[in-house]
Amino acid sequence: TQLLEQSPQFLSIQEGENLTVYCNSSSVFSSLQWYRQEPGEGPVLLVTVVTGGEVKKLKRLTFQFGDARKDSSLHITAAQPGDTGLYLCAGVGATQGGSEKLVFGKGTKLTVNP
Amino acid sequence: EAGVTQFPSHSVIEKGQTVTLRCDPISGHDNLYWYRRVMGKEIKFLLHFVKESKQDESGMPNNRFLAERTGGTYSTLKVQPAELEDSGVYFCASSQEGGQGTYEQYFGPGTRLTVT
Repeated sequence: TQLLEQSPQFLSIQEGENLTVYCNSSSVFSSLQWYRQEPGEGPVLLVTVVTGGEVKKLKRLTFQFGDARKDSSLHITAAQPGDTGLYLCAGVGATQGGSEKLVFGKGTKLTVNP
Repeated sequence: EAGVTQFPSHSVIEKGQTVTLRCDPISGHDNLYWYRRVMGKEIKFLLHFVKESKQDESGMPNNRFLAERTGGTYSTLKVQPAELEDSGVYFCASSQEGGQGTYEQYFGPGTRLTVT
């Protein structure tokens, strides 16, 4: 069974601070995705990382995939209140009959205080 | 273009009753997935349809859960009879396979099921 351990589970910071969210597994994933979820809505894809060591930037968000494709991180620079939300990592799991199911971490609930 | 829609948004039923959740994927998306998040746990995969065929139902908890996708369009997930531990948020997602092994699953807003 593939599992993703995401940390921290909760994070409350002040506007302007930096933060990092981690996603770790003992399993190798073909790719890893980061989602953001707002209350009452479904997860929305932010980025997909595919290659070991890959780094992708989305404005103030930096995503990194570990060299061994077992872990990933999300770094937010100069956080703003609009960044508040639930951030989820998800690995593209082992396929069964061609299924590309997602394996999710529990999520990080981020609160950025003005 | 309309996104993935789910109905109902909330459902409160008593233990032993039957509930049917519906998902309408994005038009043209052959892949349809069901996921569930139980309180305090991670979102977990339930099953995957490709068109009308079940590609992978390894995540279905037990035989009280029945998913269908007649005609390869919308899908239903029936829980019969419902138990307390079935409470949670049920998400549906659809996708088209992307290139280079990457793809994006578009999620619906979920159905919050409460079994009392």
